[in-house]
Formats: sequence, C-alpha cells, structure tokens
Amino acid sequence: QVQLQESGPGLVKPSETLSLTCAVSGYSISSGYYWGWIRQSPGKGLEWIANIYHTESTYYNPSLQSRVTISMDTSKNQFSLNLNSVTAADTAVYYCARVKENYLSGSYYKIVDYWGQGTLVTVSS
Amino acid sequence: DVQMTQSPSSLSASVGDRVTITCRASQSISTYLNWYQQKPGKAPKVLIYAASSLQSGVPSRFSGSGSGTDFTLTISSLHPEDFATYYCQQSYITLGFTFGPGTKVDIK
Repeated sequence: QVQLQESGPGLVKPSETLSLTCAVSGYSISSGYYWGWIRQSPGKGLEWIANIYHTESTYYNPSLQSRVTISMDTSKNQFSLNLNSVTAADTAVYYCARVKENYLSGSYYKIVDYWGQGTLVTVSS
Repeated sequence: DVQMTQSPSSLSASVGDRVTITCRASQSISTYLNWYQQKPGKAPKVLIYAASSLQSGVPSRFSGSGSGTDFTLTISSLHPEDFATYYCQQSYITLGFTFGPGTKVDIK
C-alpha cells in the first residue's frame, strides 16, 4: 500500500522560505509516476503547486513558478517543496500526492490517486 | 489558464435523493475532467476520471458525463456517507491541474 507523509514546520515567518518534505512508502519514487504538491486554503480552494516526474522533470503552476522549487531524493525515497518569500496568502494545508495515468481508449488521463494526510502551514510573525 | 467553475456552491439533500453537480471549463478540455470527493479533515478521493469513467472501488451510484466545456456529476441515490464536498479538476493542460471551487452537499 502506497503511503505519503508530509513533514515540516507548521509556522513560517513572512518573507521566509516554506520547506516541506514528503516521505513515500510502499513504492520507489524512482520507478515511475509523477509526484506533486497541492495546497488548500479557505480563500483559494485546492491549488496545484508543482509536480516532478521520476526522471526529475519538473512542472510548476505559472502563478507560483517564480517562488517554487520541487526536488526529489531517491536515496531517501522522498521529495520536497520549497516556497520562498511567503506571505499570509500562503497559509494553507499542504498535501503531497502521487499522479497516476489511467489509460482509456487510446489516451492517458492523469489523476491524483494517493494523497498525504496534509499539513497545515501558517505564515505569521 | 483553464478556469473551472461549479454550480451550485452548496446544496441540501436527503438520503435517497438524486443529486446533480455541474462543472464548466473556460475552454474546451475534451474529456480531461476528474471528480473528487472530500470529507472534513481528509484528503480528496478520486471518483470519476476522463469525465465518465468510474475509478476502481467507487460505488456505481456515482456517474459522470460531459465533454468540451460542460460536465456533470450525478449521485443516483444519496447515501449517508456521501455528504461531503465535491470538486471537479481538469487535467487537459499537461500537469497543470486546475480544480473547481467545490460543491458542498449537506443534509436537509
């Protein structure tokens, strides 16, 4: 059974960098799939942040791209998120997730099939 | 960017009711549309992918339809465990997922 677990500070000061790690068990992240971060705040709902492929190709939400870095550490079977210059608007529950491709009628359809439990990050001085 | 809207934003229903939720994309996304269910304090769970295909393990009372810009999620007979918030999500843009704002289904 695949499991994902987020870890990192629950409180970050404005203008500093938010850093989170997602530990994956039950599957080797170097073997396949996309791995990503999604956040949820009362004001903006669910917002995709970034994905990284097992080849380490990265994909970013254009609205956050200038502040975000996603990376993976295959030796530890984990991947990470850094979001710099945070403000109160970055306060949210942050989820790590696995993106799977379902094949149907000649096309691949991407879904988020596994999620972490989520971790609340508050930006405040 | 592809923007997603949902209606209604909330609805009240009774066990056994038929419930329909609508999702609209700001441009055509073919059938690259997923539906998720989220309960309080939990991560979302995928119900439908490719607009109308039931994800493995999801009860058959859930169904989806639509293509292009207009999509619907239908629950044929509401069960007590179905009271939750439902989100649509486009996967048309390569890995640039966008979620709808959600529809909360609560008990009448």
